[in-house]
Amino acid sequence: ELKVEQNPLFLSMQEGKNYTIYCNYSTTSDRLYWYRQDPGKSLESLFVLLSNGAVKQEGRLMASLDTKARLSTLHITAAVHDLSATYFCAVFYRGGSQGNLIFGKGTKLSVKP
Amino acid sequence: EPEVTQTPSHQVTQMGQEVILRCVPISNHLYFYWYRQILGQKVEFLVSFYNNEISEKSEIFDDQFSVERPDGSNFTLKIRSTKLEDSAMYFCASSVDKIYEQYFGPGTRLTVT
Repeated sequence: ELKVEQNPLFLSMQEGKNYTIYCNYSTTSDRLYWYRQDPGKSLESLFVLLSNGAVKQEGRLMASLDTKARLSTLHITAAVHDLSATYFCAVFYRGGSQGNLIFGKGTKLSVKP
Repeated sequence: EPEVTQTPSHQVTQMGQEVILRCVPISNHLYFYWYRQILGQKVEFLVSFYNNEISEKSEIFDDQFSVERPDGSNFTLKIRSTKLEDSAMYFCASSVDKIYEQYFGPGTRLTVT
């Protein structure tokens, strides 16, 4: 069974600072997703990482994937208040014919002025 | 931009009642999913559906749950006899192919009293 662990689960940071969220998973997978969720809202897709060494950047967020280490990171550069949200990584699990996403517990990010 | 839609946005029901949650996936998508998120917790996979059949289901998806694609556009999740612990946000998702990105709907908040 695939397990996905995120850390930290809670992150309070000041505007302008940098930080990294980590996502480890226990079984081989060839794709990983990062989602953002605002309180009471749905999941907004941020990044799709499809291969070892994949790196994607959008604004102040950069995600990377190391399939050999079974590790993905979401790096936040010069945080701003608008980035406050919960961030989930989700690993594609081919347990059966269709596959599904296994989510981490999420990292609740709070960016303070 | 096409999106997944869900109705209702909020459903309140009494324990033991049946509920049907509705989803309209993106029109050219062929793979459908239901996930749930208990308040403050991670997103959990319930069931995947393709070609009018369940492809996979989690252990959460017991005999009280069923899914259906009653017509060419809707995808429904039925809970036959709701329990207090069914209270959660239920997300529908769809993808054009099983290995491609899943797009999530806005969710239905189910409250069982």
